[in-house]
Amino acid sequence: AQKVTQAQTEISVVEKEDVTLDCVYETRDTTYYLFWYKQPPSGELVFLIRRNSFDEQNEISGRYSWNFQKSTSSFNFTITASQVVDSAVYFCALIFYNTDKLIFGTGTRLQVFP
Amino acid sequence: SQTIHQWPATLVQPVGSPLSLECTVEGTSNPNLYWYRQAAGRGLQLLFYSVGIGQISSEVPQNLSASRPQDRQFILSSKKLLLSDSGFYLCAWSKRRGETQYFGPGTRLLVL
Repeated sequence: AQKVTQAQTEISVVEKEDVTLDCVYETRDTTYYLFWYKQPPSGELVFLIRRNSFDEQNEISGRYSWNFQKSTSSFNFTITASQVVDSAVYFCALIFYNTDKLIFGTGTRLQVFP
Repeated sequence: SQTIHQWPATLVQPVGSPLSLECTVEGTSNPNLYWYRQAAGRGLQLLFYSVGIGQISSEVPQNLSASRPQDRQFILSSKKLLLSDSGFYLCAWSKRRGETQYFGPGTRLLVL
C-alpha cells in the first residue's frame, strides 16, 4: 500500500515552545518526493518543502527544520520557538516519480497559544 | 511570477443544481493542472488532472467532470449536485508531473 500517515490529529503548544509534527509513509517505489504544506485558516495550501528520496540531508529554513529518515520511512517537521502565526493545519504528502497524484496525509492541526 | 485564481470563493447550491468552478493560472505556459477535494476534517483527494488542452484524467469516478478549454484554464462541473459534493475544492498547477504542485485559494461549496 502507498500511504502517508500523520498520527497526530491535533497539537497544542504555548508560544516559544518547539514542536515536531510526525509523518510516516509507505511505498515500495525507490524514487519519490515528499512534501510539507501549510493550510492556514484561509484554506489555501502553502508549499513549504520538497525532498527527493535520494537526498536524506536534513534541511533548516529559519525556524523550520525537516528530518528525513528513509530507514524509518519518516519525514518529520520541527518548528522551533513556535509563534501564534504558525497555527494551521500541516499536511505531509508523497508523489512518485513522473506521476501526477499527490498522496496526502490527513493533516495535523497545530494551535499555538500566546 | 505565477499566480493561480479560483472562483467563486464560496458557493451555496441546492441539490440537483448544476455546478461550474473555474481555475486559471497566470505567468506560465502548458502547466499541468489538478482538481482536489477536501471534505470536512479530512485530507485532500485528487479528482482530475490535465497535462494539456482537452486532456483530462479522472482519479475517482463520481458525479463531477472536468474540462480544459484553454491552456491555463481548468473547469470543474456537475450537471446535478449531490449533498456529498459539499467540500473545499482546490485547484493546483505544476510545471511537470512529479514536481511541486502549487495551490489556489480554493472554493468552498455547500450543497443544501
